Amino acid sequence: AQSVTQLGSHVSVSEGALVLLRCNYSSSVPPYLFWYVQYPNQGLQLLLKYTTGATLVKGINGFEAEFKKSETSFHLTKPSAHMSDAAEYFCAVSFSGGYNKLIFGAGTRLAVHP
Amino acid sequence: EAGVAQSPRYKIIEKRQSVAFWCNPISGHATLYWYQQILGQGPKLLIQFQNNGVVDDSQLPKDRFSAERLKGVDSTLKIQPAKLEDSAVYLCASSYLTGRSGNTIYFGEGSWLTVV
Repeated sequence: AQSVTQLGSHVSVSEGALVLLRCNYSSSVPPYLFWYVQYPNQGLQLLLKYTTGATLVKGINGFEAEFKKSETSFHLTKPSAHMSDAAEYFCAVSFSGGYNKLIFGAGTRLAVHP
Repeated sequence: EAGVAQSPRYKIIEKRQSVAFWCNPISGHATLYWYQQILGQGPKLLIQFQNNGVVDDSQLPKDRFSAERLKGVDSTLKIQPAKLEDSAVYLCASSYLTGRSGNTIYFGEGSWLTVV
């Protein structure tokens, strides 16, 4: 069965520090991978996605993620955190032939302090 | 381009009462999804439509939840009777292309349900 694991339900960083949010997936078929962000009392907004091609994917707001097949990972990074990055981040996966069904991880809440 | 519209945004009901949520997807999007997001958890797919047909409702509690998308556009999700554990955010989402994976799914702002 396909699944997504996000390591760390809460991550806290200082403003200007590196942001690293971890995501691992389990799948028997090639995955499509996504990162979504959710701000308080709002829906989910797509940050970036990997489908095919280049394994380093750049998204909005300075975020990027790298698909590493050998490690079954898709970690999200940003070189320098801003206060406005404080939100909940969800990693998700879908699969070819899966009718575009997204399976989400439990989420990581990112706190950014001055 | 207008996003996914949902209403109501907030609803408080007593257990055993009924509630309905409405969703209008992005124009031209053939696929519509209803997700349930319980506090502290990731969203879980309840039901997925392609046009007006159901392609996945395996996690929909059919004894109390129902959903329809009669004309292949907007959709309604109903809960009757509600239980305390139904307290959650109900997210509607849509995507453009049918039958393919990897397409971006766009989410509405959610309908927040509290059952007391």
